[in-house]
Order: sequence, then C-alpha cells, then structure tokens
Amino acid sequence: DVVLTQTPPTLSATIGQSVSISCRSSQSLLDSDGDTYLNWLLQRPGQSPQLLIYSVSNLESGVPNRFSGSGSETDFTLKISGVEAEDLGVYYCMQATHAPLSFGSGTKLEIK
Amino acid sequence: QVQLKESGPGLVQPSQTLSLTCAVSGFSLPSNSVHWVRQPPGKGLEWVGTVWSGGSADYNSALKSRLSISRDTSKSQVFLKMNSLQTEDTAIYFCTRGYTTFFDYWGQGVMVTVSS
Repeated sequence: DVVLTQTPPTLSATIGQSVSISCRSSQSLLDSDGDTYLNWLLQRPGQSPQLLIYSVSNLESGVPNRFSGSGSETDFTLKISGVEAEDLGVYYCMQATHAPLSFGSGTKLEIK
Repeated sequence: QVQLKESGPGLVQPSQTLSLTCAVSGFSLPSNSVHWVRQPPGKGLEWVGTVWSGGSADYNSALKSRLSISRDTSKSQVFLKMNSLQTEDTAIYFCTRGYTTFFDYWGQGVMVTVSS
C-alpha cells in the first residue's frame, strides 16, 4: 500500500505569511494514463474535510487562489500564499492512483 | 444541491455489529461512487471502503473480513455494516461522494463509540 508522509506535522504562521506543506509518497503517483492523482484536503476544527486541490495542481471551485499545488512522481507541495485566519485546521494529502487509496497523516496549521 | 447525511447508533457494544446509513440527495448512485472514511478521535483519516457507481464494492484490506457496503438506489441510500466491533473502531464515520479520483462532497459525519 502507498504511504504518504507529510511534513511538518504542525505549522505555526502569522496572518499574511506564506507557508508550504510537503507530501512524499512511497511510490510514484504517476498513473498509466499520464495523470497524477494527488489531492489536498482541509479539515477545519469540528468540520468535515473539504477538497482544496485535485490532481496535483487543480484548484477546486470556490477555493481561494492563494492555495496552490505542485509536484510530481513522489514529491508534492501545497503552498498557501498569504495565510488568512480561516485557513487554520489540518491539511491532508490523499492519493487515488493506487488501490487502496490513502491519506497522509496530516499537517496542523495554527495561526499565531 | 448535493448532500450526504450519515445516520446510525452512537454507541455499540464490543463484538456487536455496526450499521450505518448514508442518505444522499442531489445526485444518483448509479452516476457516482460513495465512499466511507473514518477518523478516530484526535487522529487522521482512514479510507474504509466504497460502493462504485456500477454497484460493486471495495474494502480496506484490514477491515475486509468484517465489512460490507451496499446500496439501495431507489432510496438513494448507502449502507455500511461492520461486525465484531472493537474499541479501535471508535471513530467519526463520514460518507463522501467520489467524483473521478477525488471526493467533492462530504457528509457531516456520525460519531460511533464502541464501549460496554
């Protein structure tokens, strides 16, 4: 099974600061169809997870463009360019290239 | 609009069977998969299993021997049944809609506690 390792486990940021979260996969997430199925989700306190980015770099509808995703094969990054108060919560990467699909362990973003 | 809502007992005794229902609206089950994801208190997300748009199911291999996921398309409901529950199964159980290779809508989740 694919293991996704997220770093750092926790992140503390001030409003307006730019931050990055890393997600490393134990296997390449490049699918035989040429696409890479690595998604990013945010779970705000007390809420269900919500999709931010799909297939590495595609912004879900309604998600602010301060969120961006990049990477390939086994190394992926979520960047928040100018953290806002509403961004606090736990960020998860998730892969759907290999069965069974799997999630990273999460990165908790705290606002200073 | 698309909605998913989980329901089920909040408390289950050890070794008993858990039955959960996910009621969906705003889309049809033959058009989308529905997945179950669980989250133990204070921990991360774990994929439990799915019923695909064609009606077949797939399961987390660690849970497969105890798990069954099915659906009733006429009622727009998806069912999860897990037997031989243990304390480690205590978690929030979410159902979520699969759209190609990601989950675009999630239910609010239902907390299940396994305790005598």
